[in-house]
Amino acid sequence: GDSVTQMEGPVTLSEEAFLTINCTYTATGYPSLFWYVQYPGEGLQLLLKATKADDKGSNKGFEATYRKETTSFHLEKGSVQVSDSAVYFCALTLRSGAAGNKLTFGGGTRVLVKP
Amino acid sequence: SAVISQKPSRDICQRGTSLTIQCQVDSQVTMMFWYRQQPGQSLTLIATANQGSEATYESGFVIDKFPISRPNLTFSTLTVSNMSPEDSSIYLCSARPGLAFQETQYFGPGTRLLVL
Repeated sequence: GDSVTQMEGPVTLSEEAFLTINCTYTATGYPSLFWYVQYPGEGLQLLLKATKADDKGSNKGFEATYRKETTSFHLEKGSVQVSDSAVYFCALTLRSGAAGNKLTFGGGTRVLVKP
Repeated sequence: SAVISQKPSRDICQRGTSLTIQCQVDSQVTMMFWYRQQPGQSLTLIATANQGSEATYESGFVIDKFPISRPNLTFSTLTVSNMSPEDSSIYLCSARPGLAFQETQYFGPGTRLLVL
């Protein structure tokens, strides 16, 4: 079946460090890819998305590029802040039929940024 | 975009009772969904709430346990029935304005449920 695999956390960083969270997927169709962020005690917010190969999504200094050849959508940020401490979820939806209604999530990666 | 609110934000319930969670969207949306997030885990889709018809449930979830209503294009409810401690989770409502699969799904803040 369709699935999303993320690197396990927690990831602990110092402020201004470079952040990468790996995300790979398996899908029977041609998915759209998303990164959501969940701040402590809150619901999910869309961080960025990409709907076709080689698209780059970006927001708030975060970037991710849809790599079809490696089935990956790694999240990066060049200089993290304490306020970036959160859980990050990679997710996909598919084009075809009922599966297109469903967001399939990775396990989430907790990021802790220390001052 | 869509702004989603949920009520209650949290609750503590006794086993064997039921809780109904309300989800309100600030605009008409085509698709509404209910997800469960168990402690420290990722999100799992419970069902798609269909306006004017029965919800479509994912494998492992049944209507008797999680009845869902969707009376119009902006509102849905999820009931967690005959609760047990294993139902302690965050329940999140989600909405997608249109039918296109690549559109963004927006999430509510969640309802934190603890069953004793």
